[in-house]
Amino acid sequence: ETGVTQSPTHLIKTRGQQVTLRCSSQSGHNTVSWYQQALGQGPQFIFQYYREEENGRGNFPPRFSGLQFPNYSSELNVNALELDDSALYLCASSTGRLGASNYGYTFGSGTRLTVV
Amino acid sequence: KQEVTQIPAALSVPEGENLVLNCSFTDSAIYNLQWFRQDPGKGLTSLLLIQSSQREQTSGRLNASLDKSSGRSTLYIAASQPGDSATYLCAVGAAGNKLTFGGGTRVLVKP
Repeated sequence: ETGVTQSPTHLIKTRGQQVTLRCSSQSGHNTVSWYQQALGQGPQFIFQYYREEENGRGNFPPRFSGLQFPNYSSELNVNALELDDSALYLCASSTGRLGASNYGYTFGSGTRLTVV
Repeated sequence: KQEVTQIPAALSVPEGENLVLNCSFTDSAIYNLQWFRQDPGKGLTSLLLIQSSQREQTSGRLNASLDKSSGRSTLYIAASQPGDSATYLCAVGAAGNKLTFGGGTRVLVKP
């Protein structure tokens, strides 16, 4: 059974650029969530996808967008990067539309994004 | 709005001592509570998941309790080892399909 894998592991971008982060969910999981973790803080919920549809969103602006594919892998896209977007971006997978309600989450190792 | 607090923010203990980590949350309408471990610069490793109907979960040297009515959970780590040094995060699962995390407790176990 494979876990959650994220790519790339590290990334440096310039302010104003766009970035795409990728996530492959754990085998058998159909729910994917994305979290942003600033240095020294707990992760903050960005959004969740279930069967290719967004079904929950945190307090993040529209320049944060995502996709889930038929194989349940996912992308996080961030447009017009700002310095404050520098963080560890974590992908988590689970099962069912209410993933949080039953099975908990399995997290990947994250992508460290630095915006300069 | 759910808020999750972890106290203390940092903890240093000698090897062999038992660790007690606290987590409190403001809204008792939760589905579950999950404890994670995070090593520096790394992702999250799930330690224990407690459903809202449960009072505790155990795995090896780890034991986590949940008291929904008082909005508290405690993670106990018995006979701490230097390898237990990490940041420990608690997260509450609730409506909205999201986890709400505390700020974490950074633990250092000294040999």
